[in-house]
Amino acid sequence: SQTIHQWPATLVQPVGSPLSLECTVEGTSNPNLYWYRQAAGRGLQLLFYSVGIGQISSEVPQNLSASRPQDRQFILSSKKLLLSDSGFYLCACSGTSLGQPQHFGDGTRLSIL
Amino acid sequence: TQLLEQSPQFLSIQEGENLTVYCNSSSVFSSLQWYRQEPGEGPVLLVTVVTGGEVKKLKRLTFQFGDARKDSSLHITAAQPGDTGLYLCAGANWETSGSRLTFGEGTQLTVNP
Repeated sequence: SQTIHQWPATLVQPVGSPLSLECTVEGTSNPNLYWYRQAAGRGLQLLFYSVGIGQISSEVPQNLSASRPQDRQFILSSKKLLLSDSGFYLCACSGTSLGQPQHFGDGTRLSIL
Repeated sequence: TQLLEQSPQFLSIQEGENLTVYCNSSSVFSSLQWYRQEPGEGPVLLVTVVTGGEVKKLKRLTFQFGDARKDSSLHITAAQPGDTGLYLCAGANWETSGSRLTFGEGTQLTVNP
């Protein structure tokens, strides 16, 4: 079964600083990869979706970007963080066949000061 | 845009009580998944339902997918403190969105000993 690693687990950054969150997946090849943001105690908002290396779909306009430099590596970035970027960021993966469930990492808690 | 409405948003009950969480939409979904999430962790998949009218049981948890595939429910019998957590439903429409999921806003369940 697949394992999803996210780091760091928590991050405190000043407004205007850059961001790089990394997600790597083990135990599967050519997965679909996803970045979500979650407000406290609420549902998940899909930010980015990737079906392969270099293929990124953005779901909502925002201050963030994503990249997939390798098959099982997904990176979430920003050049200048805003206060509104604070939140809990989750990486997920799924198989490529329709109906495959998504499996999640343990997330990164990002606080912007 | 497909929306999933979960109710109730918050639920606090005593150990041993039964409860039902609802997930409703005006849209048809190809499949629907239920997740449970604990603080500081990623959601963990409980079940996937794909057939209208389908009922799945996982120990004390019973999941049902509506006949029209627009709604779902999660029933917990004799709740225990270990059932405490955020319960999330998520739907997929394979024709319009592929493997992408639309999440409900979650139900925060607290089971008091």
